[in-house]
Amino acid sequence: AQKVTQAQTEISVVEKEDVTLDCVYETRDTTYYLFWYKQPPSGELVFLIRRNSFDEQNEISGRYSWNFQKSTSSFNFTITASQVVDSAVYFCALSERTQGGSEKLVFGKGTKLTVNP
Amino acid sequence: DTGVSQNPRHKITKRGQNVTFRCDPISEHNRLYWYRQTLGQGPEFLTYFQNEAQLEKSRLLSDRFSAERPKGSFSTLEIQRTEQGDSAMYLCASSLAMSTDTQYFGPGTRLTVL
Repeated sequence: AQKVTQAQTEISVVEKEDVTLDCVYETRDTTYYLFWYKQPPSGELVFLIRRNSFDEQNEISGRYSWNFQKSTSSFNFTITASQVVDSAVYFCALSERTQGGSEKLVFGKGTKLTVNP
Repeated sequence: DTGVSQNPRHKITKRGQNVTFRCDPISEHNRLYWYRQTLGQGPEFLTYFQNEAQLEKSRLLSDRFSAERPKGSFSTLEIQRTEQGDSAMYLCASSLAMSTDTQYFGPGTRLTVL
């Protein structure tokens, strides 16, 4: 079965520090997708990135960057120069193809990031 | 382009009562998912619709839970004879079935069963 592990339960940093959120996954599928979502205190899950298992190139989007390493089954997320607005719970997720044809998401338990001014 | 909407945002009910939640997906999204999230945990998959057909149900979805998506548009999730263990955030997501099947989530309905 698919599994996602986010070992860091909570992280606290001071504004402008860089922070990396770890994600390790388990799957038997050869094709799969990995995701990161942000959940601010309001509760809505905000999509950040989707990565195909065949594409191991790192991606950068502004202050956000992602490091996908298939060899270690990891998909880590780095925020550069963190800001108070980055405070949220961040979830890593793995797609699982079901018999019904859906791609349900299997989530980790999340990492709560607090950025202090 | 409006996102996924859910109503109500909060629901407080007494044990044993029935509750119904509504989800309006992004227009033209033919896939719709329901998830449940308890405190300190990530969302867990409940059920999936492609258009109006319910194609997948999790073992988490007991007989007291039922979901519908008439006409392939909005969806409802009903919980009968609520129990305290049903207290959670119920999240709806929608996606467009294609090569980039990214799920976009609504704000959720927080259920509290007293």
